[in-house]
Amino acid sequence: DAGVTQSPTHLIKTRGQQVTLRCSPKSGHDTVSWYQQALGQGPQFIFQYYEEEERQRGNFPDRFSGHQFPNYSSELNVNALLLGDSALYLCASSLGRRGAFFGQGTRLTVV
Amino acid sequence: QQQVKQSPQSLIVQKGGISIINCAYENTAFDYFPWYQQFPGKGPALLIAIRPDVSEKKEGRFTISFNKSAKQFSLHIMDSQPGDSATYFCAASGGGGSNYKLTFGKGTLLTVNP
Repeated sequence: DAGVTQSPTHLIKTRGQQVTLRCSPKSGHDTVSWYQQALGQGPQFIFQYYEEEERQRGNFPDRFSGHQFPNYSSELNVNALLLGDSALYLCASSLGRRGAFFGQGTRLTVV
Repeated sequence: QQQVKQSPQSLIVQKGGISIINCAYENTAFDYFPWYQQFPGKGPALLIAIRPDVSEKKEGRFTISFNKSAKQFSLHIMDSQPGDSATYFCAASGGGGSNYKLTFGKGTLLTVNP
């Protein structure tokens, strides 16, 4: 059973560009959440998708948007990248209120 | 506003010793408290979790102790091993409705010396 898979693993973008990160949830999971983890910090909740809709959103600007597809996979889009967006972006999947399982993350570097 | 406070920031333990990491929360609506282990370059891995209707949960060498009145919970790692060296995060979620987001502490870097 493949766990949560994210792509790409590493990415370098220029300030002002746009980026799309992808996530495939663990088999049987229907909920996908995205987190941003800055170096030396705990993950910060960006938003959560369930039944192809954004169910909950953290304190992130509208530059951060997402999508969930019918097969439960998800994308995170970030527009107008800032240097401060450099971080490890984590996808987590879950089924209802059960524990969230994280992928290995995408390391985004904005230069 | 930091809703989950974790301490210590770093911890050094000898092999075979007990590692103890503490967390305190503010939101009394939280009703799910997991602990995650993260190795460098990897995503967090779910270790163990507890709900507030029990005061302790044990899985192998890992134990969560929960004190609802004090709004505190802790992770105990018995017989600590060098392979346990990692960053540990406590988290909390809940609040009714569809509030499933996890609020994390800032992490504890555990080093277990051989």
